[in-house]
Amino acid sequence: DVKVTQSSRYLVKRTGEKVFLECVQDMDHENMFWYRQDPGLGLRLIYFSYDVKMKEKGDIPEGYSVSREKKERFSLILESASTNQTSMYLCASRGSPNTEAFFGQGTRLTVV
Amino acid sequence: GQQVMQIPQYQHVQEGEDFTTYCNSSTTLSNIQWYKQRPGGHPVFLIQLVKSGEVKKQKRLTFQFGEAKKNSSLHITATQTTDVGTYFCAAGGSEKLVFGKGTKLTVNP
Repeated sequence: DVKVTQSSRYLVKRTGEKVFLECVQDMDHENMFWYRQDPGLGLRLIYFSYDVKMKEKGDIPEGYSVSREKKERFSLILESASTNQTSMYLCASRGSPNTEAFFGQGTRLTVV
Repeated sequence: GQQVMQIPQYQHVQEGEDFTTYCNSSTTLSNIQWYKQRPGGHPVFLIQLVKSGEVKKQKRLTFQFGEAKKNSSLHITATQTTDVGTYFCAAGGSEKLVFGKGTKLTVNP
């Protein structure tokens, strides 16, 4: 079974903390994505990566950075967490632009 | 950047009624993908459409890709309570995978 695994299901962090969200896939996929999901706003793309050490900004990259040192792992970093970053974060991966994407189970992050 | 607009945002139906969600793009799409997210779950791939005018069926679900490859629809015949969830379309042909805002379907038994 293919798998995309996110390190935490729920996370509570304080304002100003540096937060790391980890995502690992076991399908040898080139492409990995980070989205945030908020009610009424759908899935908004934060960053994506099409290869190791390569990254591209999505539609809402402000306040976030990413790291892809190994093919299987894509990390989302909140440099200084703020309350408006409270959200559900979803990681996804796929092999190529014409194939299906697989999602992790999501991390519900609360910043207090 | 590429955007896909999806309507309606919400749809509430009685069990047994039909349901349709629509997806539109201002640019020609290489392909369109559809995903379903059950309540409390994560999006799961349903299907991909590639050809102009393509129609695909999965049991009670019918997916269409417009002739101009700028719009798509998902139609569910005779909804069941198991159909509840949010349905997303996605422009999948570029490296950047962009989703519509989704249509949240609720079904009254």
